[in-house]
Amino acid sequence: AQSVTQLGSHVSVSEGALVLLRCNYSSSVPPYLFWYVQYPNQGLQLLLKYTTGATLVKGINGFEAEFKKSETSFHLTKPSAHMSDAAEYFCAVSRSGGYQKVTFGTGTKLQVIP
Amino acid sequence: EAQVTQNPRYLITVTGKKLTVTCSQNMNHEYMSWYRQDPGLGLRQIYYSMNVEVTDKGDVPEGYKVSRKEKRNFPLILESPSPNQTSLYFCASSGQGARLAGGGELFFGEGSRLTVL
Repeated sequence: AQSVTQLGSHVSVSEGALVLLRCNYSSSVPPYLFWYVQYPNQGLQLLLKYTTGATLVKGINGFEAEFKKSETSFHLTKPSAHMSDAAEYFCAVSRSGGYQKVTFGTGTKLQVIP
Repeated sequence: EAQVTQNPRYLITVTGKKLTVTCSQNMNHEYMSWYRQDPGLGLRQIYYSMNVEVTDKGDVPEGYKVSRKEKRNFPLILESPSPNQTSLYFCASSGQGARLAGGGELFFGEGSRLTVL
């Protein structure tokens, strides 16, 4: 079985401050890991993903995430928050070597304070 | 433009009145899936389809039906809706199904907000 835990359902940061959204996963096989973003009244869109290879993954809009197997983590960061980053962020896991079942975390709403 | 289209976007109905939420994608994707989003629970998978005529249950299939007669369409059917099916529903598709075993990006529709009274 696979699962994802996102710590903090709401995170507030000041504009220009570091963004750190936490994600820990559980998977019995090597995982594929994703971060999706949902802007108000929209569907989800992919920010970045890790499948194999380099453990530091860069995505759109200046976001990046690092796969740390020893910590079973895939935290999302951005050096400097922008007002347009206010959205809900979902971490997700799917498993390699099997059918495509994606399990999502419960989401973290990011508020950016001017 | 590559997209996943859901209809209706908003619907208020009453208990027991059958309804269908349509989903169509124009990217020739093999894999399609339905999710429901509820506050504090994130997205939970209802049903998915690896290809035409191939469907399977997700985590919360009770009260729902699906069909995949054509590659581009994957309707979600609520035969007898109940208030606990009030939710925001998303359809998603991916071009990387069984062959690539899970590494593919999901493309989402804009969502269908359903209220069952």
